[in-house]
Order: sequence, then structure tokens, then C-alpha cells
Amino acid sequence: GAVVSQHPSRVICKSGTSVKIECRSLDFQATTMFWYRQFPKQSLMLMATSNEGSKATYEQGVEKDKFLINHASLTLSTLTVTSAHPEDSSFYICSASPLFEAHSSYNEQFFGPGTRLTVL
Amino acid sequence: EDQVTQSPEALRLQEGESSSLNCSYTVSGLRGLFWYRQDPGKGPEFLFTLYSAGEEKEKERLKATLTKKESFLHITAPKPEDSATYLCAVLEGGYNKLIFGAGTRLAVHP
Repeated sequence: GAVVSQHPSRVICKSGTSVKIECRSLDFQATTMFWYRQFPKQSLMLMATSNEGSKATYEQGVEKDKFLINHASLTLSTLTVTSAHPEDSSFYICSASPLFEAHSSYNEQFFGPGTRLTVL
Repeated sequence: EDQVTQSPEALRLQEGESSSLNCSYTVSGLRGLFWYRQDPGKGPEFLFTLYSAGEEKEKERLKATLTKKESFLHITAPKPEDSATYLCAVLEGGYNKLIFGAGTRLAVHP
């Protein structure tokens, strides 16, 4: 159980275009989804936290108008990279936390397989 | 500022040569320390969660331990299929937010 999918797995686009990445929790409902970015040989950097039905919370230095996040349902969050440029090329990974369990002291995060974005 | 530091950055082992990876952290109010395995081009795969100093968890050839300032991931008699990047992350107190270390790239050669 606790499977998270991402689509597409790989995308190549021209500079100036917008790209949408989907993150789905397949067998559980996720109150919270997280979007990370990972550059080669570097660790995961949290970009934003999204809660279903509310606006995303962005980390310092992440442009909210460039990285649009929508968490429309308990199983789907989307990240849209608007007017993409070569410096946006990266590996984007989402994770999802299930609905809060009363006996847990935290919400575990399950990670998707990632989306490789290349902007030419 | 909360920080997670992993060492070494890269490690090369011969098959069967046991070793340990280190994760040191400085966070206010640790709510959990996580170990993940990440293969190239894939998302992180969950390995362990540790909550309190003195806690240990094992899974096959891997054993994770936790003190008040650091965690170790011990690899006993590794095999080539253990080659991956191992990531350490801490759950920041008060938030459901993971802070990741840079990872240790492990290569196990036959």
C-alpha cells in the first residue's frame, strides 16, 4: 500500500512554455502533499507544502507565481512550472501524507518516482 | 538553523566489507529521524524511522541507530545491489516538514 505516482516521468520542453506535473496517491487519501526539487548529486529541497482545498505554503526563495500548485482533491496535486527556463531543469519529486492517524505522532511521507524536467 | 549533515559524501566498498554511514543533526525538537534509499532517477524509498536516543532498527543487512546528536546506518556484508544513495532526514518539531541531508553515495563492488 501507500503508493504515489507522478506523471509524466520525463518531459522535455522549449524555453518559455509551461509544464504541468501530476502527483497522485493511488491507495490512500492525502491531506498534505509536498513538492521537492533535486539537482544532480544534491539532496531534496522542499519547494512547497500543499493542503487539500487551501493555498500552498512556499519555502523561502521559491517563486509562487512561477511554480503553481493546486491540490484539488485528496488524491491529486499538480505542479505547473510556468514560463520554464533552462535553469528550471531538475528532478521534481512529490510526496504525500495520509489522513492523520490518531495513534501517530507524525504523518509519514510516501514519495513518488519523480519527474525529470529538461528545458531547452 | 536546523541542519542535517551526512558523511562520507561517497563510499566505495568491496562486497562483504561492512561499514557505517553517519548522519548528524541540529534541530529544535526532533520528532523523528528517517533513512531513505534512493536509486538513480527514482524517488526515495523508505527504510527506517527512529524517534528516541538509544533506539535501533534492522532490516536485512541494514541497521540504524540513533543518539541525541547523530544517527548511523550500519551495512553488514554489503552486496552490489545495496549500491544507492542513502538519505537521512529529520522531521522538524512543530511542522510536518522533512529536512534532508545531502546523502551518501554508496558503491559496492563484487
